[in-house]
Formats: sequence, structure tokens, C-alpha cells
Amino acid sequence: AQSVTQPDIHITVSEGASLELRCNYSYGATPYLFWYVQSPGQGLQLLLKYFSGDTLVQGIKGFEAEFKRSQSSFNLRKPSVHWSDAAEYFCAVGSSFGNEKLTFGTGTRLTIIP
Amino acid sequence: GAVVSQHPSRVICKSGTSVKIECRSLDFQATTMFWYRQFPKQSLMLMATSNEGSKATYEQGVEKDKFLINHASLTLSTLTVTSAHPEDSSFYICSAGDRAGGRETQYFGPGTRLLVL
Repeated sequence: AQSVTQPDIHITVSEGASLELRCNYSYGATPYLFWYVQSPGQGLQLLLKYFSGDTLVQGIKGFEAEFKRSQSSFNLRKPSVHWSDAAEYFCAVGSSFGNEKLTFGTGTRLTIIP
Repeated sequence: GAVVSQHPSRVICKSGTSVKIECRSLDFQATTMFWYRQFPKQSLMLMATSNEGSKATYEQGVEKDKFLINHASLTLSTLTVTSAHPEDSSFYICSAGDRAGGRETQYFGPGTRLLVL
């Protein structure tokens, strides 16, 4: 069965600082990987996704993520955070075989300080 | 593109009544839609997968008679919480699968906050 681990429950960074959110997955084949962001009381917005090809993927709002098969990781990065980036971030893995269900990590809450 | 709407955004009902939540894909057709439940400060729990024109597939532990799902068209799925009780109070989120590019990506609605008194 597939699984996702987000080791950091809560991260605090200063505005303008760089950010890296960790995501590790467990899946027997090539995974389909996603990062979503959720603001309080809202649904989830897709930041970026990896299906195949270039392992460094660019997303919206200046985010990027790198797929590292050897480390089973798909960490999310941003070179300079803005106060509006404060939210909950979810990593998810999808099956590459028919089943379209996503398995989500437990999320990382990002706080931005001035 | 890939916008999903949910209605209502918030609903308060009395215990024992039924509540219907609609999920619509506004600018794409979705063969598959998904219904999730999210408890405060927790991740999303998949409740069921809704397939257009066929019966929904429920996850283990989710009562199909309690949470009725209908996917009548390629742009609309509904979740009806029947005989709601206070323990059903939660944040319900739907997503719709968009197959543009050959592989499905789930796009999420804004969620529905249900409070059962």
C-alpha cells in the first residue's frame, strides 16, 4: 500500500527566507506525486505535480519540487516566502495503475513571521 | 481552468435531518469525483469515489446508507448525509478528476462546513 510521510508538523520561517517542506513516500512503482496548499477553511489548491520526465517541477506561486527516487522524496521548495504563503501544505501520492485515489500526508503547517 | 465548486459552503441542521452537498466541475468534465472528510487540524480522509453513471465506491468503514452519493452527470456529484447526527459535523471536501494530458489530476472544491445540532 502506498503511504506518504510529512515529518514536519509545523514550520516557522521569516518572510523572505527560503523554504523546504519535506515529503517521503512509499510506493512500489513510479509514483504520481502532488503538492497541495490549503488556507484555513478552504479547499485544496494544486501547487504542482510530477508524473514523469524532468524530476524538477515548477509550480504556481514560485514553488518547485524535486523528485528523488533514490530517497523516495518529493520536497517542496521556495526561494523566498511571502506572508501570504502561510497555510497548510499537503503532499500526496497517486497510484500509477488504474486506481486514481490519492494518499495524503498529514500536512505541514507553515507560519510566516515578519 | 479546472475549477470545482461546492454548495453550500456552510450548513447548520438539526439532528435527524438530511443534508445534500453539491460538487460541480465548472470548466471540465469529470468521470470521477471524490468525497473527503477532514477533521480539525487533520489530513483528508477519503470517503468514497464517485463514478459517473455507476455506483460509488466507498472506503472501508464508511456507511453507504449514511452517505449517499450520486454522480448523475459529468459535471455534478452530490453527497447526502442522511439522518445527520452531531458526530457527522465536519468539513466535507470534494474533488474532481481532470484527465487533460492523459493522467488524472484531482482539483478540489472549497469545502462545506457541516454543523449538526
